[in-house]
Amino acid sequence: GAGVSQSPSNKVTEKGKDVELRCDPISGHTALYWYRQSLGQGLEFLIYFQGNSAPDKSGLPSDRFSAERTGGSVSTLTIQRTQQEDSAVYLCASSLVTGPRQGTQYFGPGTRLTVL
Amino acid sequence: AQSVAQPEDQVNVAEGNPLTVKCTYSVSGNPYLFWYVQYPNRGLQFLLKYITGDNLVKGSYGFEAEFNKSQTSFHLTKPSALVSDSALYFCAVRDSNGGSQGNLIFGKGTKLSVKP
Repeated sequence: GAGVSQSPSNKVTEKGKDVELRCDPISGHTALYWYRQSLGQGLEFLIYFQGNSAPDKSGLPSDRFSAERTGGSVSTLTIQRTQQEDSAVYLCASSLVTGPRQGTQYFGPGTRLTVL
Repeated sequence: AQSVAQPEDQVNVAEGNPLTVKCTYSVSGNPYLFWYVQYPNRGLQFLLKYITGDNLVKGSYGFEAEFNKSQTSFHLTKPSALVSDSALYFCAVRDSNGGSQGNLIFGKGTKLSVKP
């Protein structure tokens, strides 16, 4: 079946602009995660959504970062007033809560963000 | 706090030889352990996981990993490396004390290079 999809695949923006990154999880997966991959920091957890529960925002690096998940499916990660240090690959993952594949996170191809 | 260590930035292996990519972890409870592989400009692909049961876990593409509780290790192995195995490998852990869901903590990654 279809995997996790993300758009855009690449985004170049100017410092100070806002950007939105989109994630479509695997159909039926109720858990959704955002991670950031950068050269200096490796893979960092950003935010986690599970069903209708309040999201775990403990990994968001600043209040310029926010995310929402509408209808328990598609998620949007928004970065306001982008800075050069925000340049990274943003990865989305989803997982099942129940069943034999419970807990395995499946990743999308990522969005490469470059802030000039 | 949870953590994962991958002590080798790079592993070089000749094609046909066995390979090992090392991983050690630290969690307060019982660990859920994962290996992912990342090919250039791609997202992370799930290889295998240990949740409970047999310490030797078999995964995709002929890879295996052995959970060793006393050494807090989860090394990835393959008996005969292929050039196509060349990629970046990530070990990840989640503490079972946090329930079956929740974010993964990743190691820094190990670049595997298999030469013909």
